[in-house]
Amino acid sequence: NAGVTQTPKFQVLKTGQSMTLQCAQDMNHNSMYWYRQDPGMGLRLIYYSASEGTTDKGEVPNGYNVSRLNKREFSLRLESAAPSQTSVYFCASSVRRGQGASNSPLHFGNGTRLTVT
Amino acid sequence: QKEVEQNSGPLSVPEGAIASLNCTYSDRGSQSFFWYRQYSGKSPELIMFIYSNGDKEDGRFTAQLNKASQYVSLLIRDSQPSDSATYLCAVKATNAGGTSYGKLTFGQGTILTVHP
Repeated sequence: NAGVTQTPKFQVLKTGQSMTLQCAQDMNHNSMYWYRQDPGMGLRLIYYSASEGTTDKGEVPNGYNVSRLNKREFSLRLESAAPSQTSVYFCASSVRRGQGASNSPLHFGNGTRLTVT
Repeated sequence: QKEVEQNSGPLSVPEGAIASLNCTYSDRGSQSFFWYRQYSGKSPELIMFIYSNGDKEDGRFTAQLNKASQYVSLLIRDSQPSDSATYLCAVKATNAGGTSYGKLTFGQGTILTVHP
């Protein structure tokens, strides 16, 4: 049981280049998320997908696009990378709960360390 | 004001002592609260969650929640060097309809160092 798998683990881009970060989960979770983590800033939500076929902006969506390809896969695309996007990116998933439910912990992938020069 | 605030530390405690980590949040309607541990260079992993006022114990860890004062804390008893990590407090938002989608807001984390 792999859990949440992210690729690649490391990436170096030049300013203006594009790339897609891939994420897949095998836990049959409905909700998936992309976070970025910067020193002193904690984890900040970029985009999330509450269920297959839906995506919504998080706290810091500018410069990113996402695609929920199917229930398992949620990709993050940088169309024109900027040095400010140098960060560690985490994909996560959780079980979507309906009204009245309480807790839905996040399960994280191992992260992608992206450097934009 | 940040939605979820933590003292970034570092917090240094001797081995065997109690480590106390604190977190405050601004959304009074928040329902669920989580503590994640993150070792350097690794991904966060869930330690505990709590959603009722009071204490919740799990082994050496105790989470404390006070909704009236809008704070949540994590106590680590008999601290070990292996507990040295960054501890992230996370609060789950609830939309106006009352349905939770698991979207969490994280604090910036507290670095804990347990020295032998």
